[in-house]
Amino acid sequence: GENVEQHPSTLSVQEGDSAVIKCTYSDSASNYFPWYKQELGKRPQLIIDIRSNVGEKKDQRIAVTLNKTAKHFSLHITETQPEDSAVYFCAGGGGSYIPTFGRGTSLIVHP
Amino acid sequence: NAGVTQTPKFQVLKTGQSMTLQCAQDMNHNSMYWYRQDPGMGLRLIYYSASEGTTDKGEVPNGYNVSRLNKREFSLRLESAAPSQTSVYFCASSGLAGGRVFSDTQYFGPGTRLTVL
Repeated sequence: GENVEQHPSTLSVQEGDSAVIKCTYSDSASNYFPWYKQELGKRPQLIIDIRSNVGEKKDQRIAVTLNKTAKHFSLHITETQPEDSAVYFCAGGGGSYIPTFGRGTSLIVHP
Repeated sequence: NAGVTQTPKFQVLKTGQSMTLQCAQDMNHNSMYWYRQDPGMGLRLIYYSASEGTTDKGEVPNGYNVSRLNKREFSLRLESAAPSQTSVYFCASSGLAGGRVFSDTQYFGPGTRLTVL
């Protein structure tokens, strides 16, 4: 099955800085790569996703890039704000493969 | 539109007791999932149901059973609870009819916090 590794496990930034979280996956057949945000005590919610036929996708301050050759994808958050503080999970899968989640990155944005 | 609902929100069991976690979705999704979340371990898949009438094991199925009661409902049963099953359990659903089975957004329920003493 798919194996997804996520780094770093903790990321601390100052408000206004950029944050980058990286994930690698093992199965070249995976075609769907979502990112979820989980605030403390809440459920995970999708913030952005990318499919294997696209190299980059943006939504306001959030962007995701995908490198199929290297089998890695990254989440970029620009102009971070305190409300961006949360745990972020990547996942890889799609097609006949159930999405497998990374272990999560705890993002802390200091005011 | 309630989305994905789970009951109960909290539960404390003694070792050896049994219980069923309930999950329902009103989005007409085909696929449903049960995950457990432990600190530092991310979301680990226990069981899933790709479509009504089918269920399959995920990464950590031991000690659990599931039932896809109908298209809306997917329950998780602990027959004999153990302290190692202390966790937060999330149900999720995805996939509209005719869509890509595992290539769509998963919508999560609010979670059940289970403690086994």
